[in-house]
Amino acid sequence: NAGVTQTPKFRILKIGQSMTLQCTQDMNHNYMYWYRQDPGMGLKLIYYSVGAGITDKGEVPNGYNVSRSTTEDFPLRLELAAPSQTSVYFCASSAATGTQGYNSPLHFGNGTRLTVT
Amino acid sequence: AQRVTQPEKLLSVFKGAPVELKCNYSYSGSPELFWYVQYSRQRLQLLLRHISRESIKGFTADLNKGETSFHLKKPFAQEEDSAMYYCALSKTSYDKVIFGPGTSLSVIP
Repeated sequence: NAGVTQTPKFRILKIGQSMTLQCTQDMNHNYMYWYRQDPGMGLKLIYYSVGAGITDKGEVPNGYNVSRSTTEDFPLRLELAAPSQTSVYFCASSAATGTQGYNSPLHFGNGTRLTVT
Repeated sequence: AQRVTQPEKLLSVFKGAPVELKCNYSYSGSPELFWYVQYSRQRLQLLLRHISRESIKGFTADLNKGETSFHLKKPFAQEEDSAMYYCALSKTSYDKVIFGPGTSLSVIP
């Protein structure tokens, strides 16, 4: 059972380059999230999706784009990379609600460490 | 907008000592609160949530709506508790999850 898989694990970009961070999950979860983790800042929500075809902005969406064409995949796109986007990016997924009716736990990927120079 | 604060970036305690990681939130409704943990070289994972009122690995957390706090406590710290701890909040069962800045706990042998 793979859970949430992120690729690549590491990437170095030059300023102005673009790239897509891949995220896929095999748990048939409706909810998917992208967070960035910066030292001392914790995890900031970039974008999230409550189902295929539906996406919404989080706390820090500027400079990023997402799409959700399938339940399994939730790629994150950086169009014009900037040094401020140097961070560790985490993808997560969760079921819509737990069987008890409350928020299901998030399942995280291993992260992608991105450096923009 | 809802917000989660964790006043301590770093917390060091001796093995066997009690530990308390503080978490405060700002939200006028009745949110769902969580603690997530990231051990070295492992994925972020759920530690516990207030609704289930459970004790995981000896940790407990009580939601205090009057003080808008959800502090994480353990009576006797163990070395394996050293990790990064994040408090998180969701406004409802269907809403996004927002995280605090995290507290790095170091348990000294």
